[in-house]
Amino acid sequence: ETGVTQTPRHLVMGMTNKKSLKCEQHLGHNAMYWYKQSAKKPLELMFVYSLEERVENNSVPSRFSPECPNSSHLFLHLHTLQPEDSALYLCASSQEGGRADEQYFGPGTRLTVT
Amino acid sequence: GNSVTQMEGPVTLSEEAFLTINCTYTATGYPSLFWYVQYPGEGLQLLLKATKADDKGSNKGFEATYRKETTSFHLEKGSVQVSDSAVYFCALSQFSSGSARQLTFGSGTQLTVLP
Repeated sequence: ETGVTQTPRHLVMGMTNKKSLKCEQHLGHNAMYWYKQSAKKPLELMFVYSLEERVENNSVPSRFSPECPNSSHLFLHLHTLQPEDSALYLCASSQEGGRADEQYFGPGTRLTVT
Repeated sequence: GNSVTQMEGPVTLSEEAFLTINCTYTATGYPSLFWYVQYPGEGLQLLLKATKADDKGSNKGFEATYRKETTSFHLEKGSVQVSDSAVYFCALSQFSSGSARQLTFGSGTQLTVLP
């Protein structure tokens, strides 16, 4: 595997389900991110894990819960979602502390909440 | 706070036409600037970047110049191809809290190139 991978690529869940999105980066980076991409809206940064520090967007509802067990893996735990949470969820990684500051994105998980 | 404003789409061009997608930004200090591209069904790919004023980023025939005086980073390509059809995002990167950089994105511009 190379780059940033995400599983599953597609997910359909009911509002009472609990599911998790997984992201893995194979680039040796030390920061990982979750973004939400909804139709006709700018990309929204949800969570950042950088050098062991978690930074979050305070507007993200508590039904989204991130977990970063190590620098290569990132999860987004979902529970009691709403239909408006249907979107493409993108994971990204970057190398913080160096000259390069670009982020590398995975292919995304297309989530549909029914 | 930081913000990025980019040209409203969609943009439809014929093959070999000249492309410009405008992007302006608001930020304190000296952010890095990026263009990302998203092909259908895929995530975002970095297209090009510039880290300081007057830098020109270029890749795959696309170019953008970091203009601090006009706070702009317009994307250009001299001759577009059908395969360039995608959504293009302008973004800036700046340190936020602690050591984390955060990307601020524009709303994206859908480009369709017709044969």
